[in-house]
Amino acid sequence: GAVVSQHPSRVICKSGTSVKIECRSLDFQATTMFWYRQFPKKSLMLMATSNEGSKATYEQGVEKDKFLINHASLTLSTLTVTSAHPEDSSFYICSALSGSGTDTQYFGPGTRLTVL
Amino acid sequence: GENVEQHPSTLSVQEGDSAVIKCTYSDSASNYFPWYKQELGKGSQLIIDIRSNVGEKKDQRIAVTLNKTAKHFSLHITETQPEDSAVYFCAASITGSARQLTFGSGTQLTVLP
Repeated sequence: GAVVSQHPSRVICKSGTSVKIECRSLDFQATTMFWYRQFPKKSLMLMATSNEGSKATYEQGVEKDKFLINHASLTLSTLTVTSAHPEDSSFYICSALSGSGTDTQYFGPGTRLTVL
Repeated sequence: GENVEQHPSTLSVQEGDSAVIKCTYSDSASNYFPWYKQELGKGSQLIIDIRSNVGEKKDQRIAVTLNKTAKHFSLHITETQPEDSAVYFCAASITGSARQLTFGSGTQLTVLP
């Protein structure tokens, strides 16, 4: 099946620094990728939809200047958490949409961000 | 917007028994309902899905049922095995595809050997 990787799997940073998370579709091209945030024992909350070659579409309440998304190629999307604060600590998950007839979302393993 | 509720949040069953996880949705326009399995260190994987024109779908030990009138759908796992232990998420979409999913809060399933 299709594989989506995320890097890093775990990151700890100091408050005020920026952190970049990469999401790659390894064996298929994805014009659309999604970024989710998951709190403990909570569902995946969609943050933004990333479209290759165009600006991301952010969900209501998500600060686009804080969560910068770049989808520069058909296999890579990045999420940069700028000026991170402890309340940004969370589990961030990306997914890539395979439009090869099945239109299925394939999820990455997630990135655990801890902001001290 | 769509709201999806999932129950129970945790479920423990003995190996070989059946497990049932239930979800309700609020938007009657929802027409696509996938179920995902999330294992530690791995990406969530689609295990089964159902569209609104079908009432039931089965794939080996896994089945999903949909009641459009009541706006609820359920995941059934029969003959559970320890490797079925994971977090399961239901989701709903009004697009007929995986393009715009609203997720339930997840169920931690533990299959006891």
